[in-house]
Amino acid sequence: DAGVIQSPRHEVTEMGQEVTLRCKLISGHNSLFWYRQTMMRGLELLIYFNNNVPIDDSGMPEDRFSAKMPNASFSTLKIQPSEPRDSAVYFCASSLMTRGNTEAFFGQGTRLTVV
Amino acid sequence: DQQVKQNSPSLSVQEGRISILNCDYTNSMFDYFLWYKKYPAEGPTFLISISSIKDKNEDGRFTVFLNKSAKHLSLHIVPSQPGDSAVYFCAALEGNLIFGKGTKLSVKP
Repeated sequence: DAGVIQSPRHEVTEMGQEVTLRCKLISGHNSLFWYRQTMMRGLELLIYFNNNVPIDDSGMPEDRFSAKMPNASFSTLKIQPSEPRDSAVYFCASSLMTRGNTEAFFGQGTRLTVV
Repeated sequence: DQQVKQNSPSLSVQEGRISILNCDYTNSMFDYFLWYKKYPAEGPTFLISISSIKDKNEDGRFTVFLNKSAKHLSLHIVPSQPGDSAVYFCAALEGNLIFGKGTKLSVKP
């Protein structure tokens, strides 16, 4: 398996535009996490899915952010409209959450710059 | 309010010495604790974990200690090597996987 795949690796967009970040999970994994990394807040959990169902989205900053899992192997994080303060590195991670198995595997991240 | 705290943003250690990275948490319901290592321009990678029912887990040069009464865990790296230089994140699991802000470790030759 190629691991967790995120696209694009880099995204530069103008304020007000819609941005879509994509994540392909490792085959067989049942949990998906979206994180945002900034200098100020470190790795901040945005949303967590288990078996395609959003379990906790309390970390999603506001209504401009939305995340979906249209199927068991793919997720999108959408920002509409984007703002300069959304600039950060966005990571997704997948895991097979079972008793005794806790490791989450991260993608390489998408560096988003909103100008 | 942060549930997982890493109060030292950075740590510098001489090669061959011990590195001790600390982490505090507030939620006594966390089931597992994990340490991740992150190099620049890469995603975090899993390093070692410990169940809340244990107080120590060792894997080669890496040992994690858990003190539940103090809600504190630490990662020991012995001996430290220059290749260990990275940002280390402490994380706690209770369904969600919650991370601290990270500690940047620099191991000097």
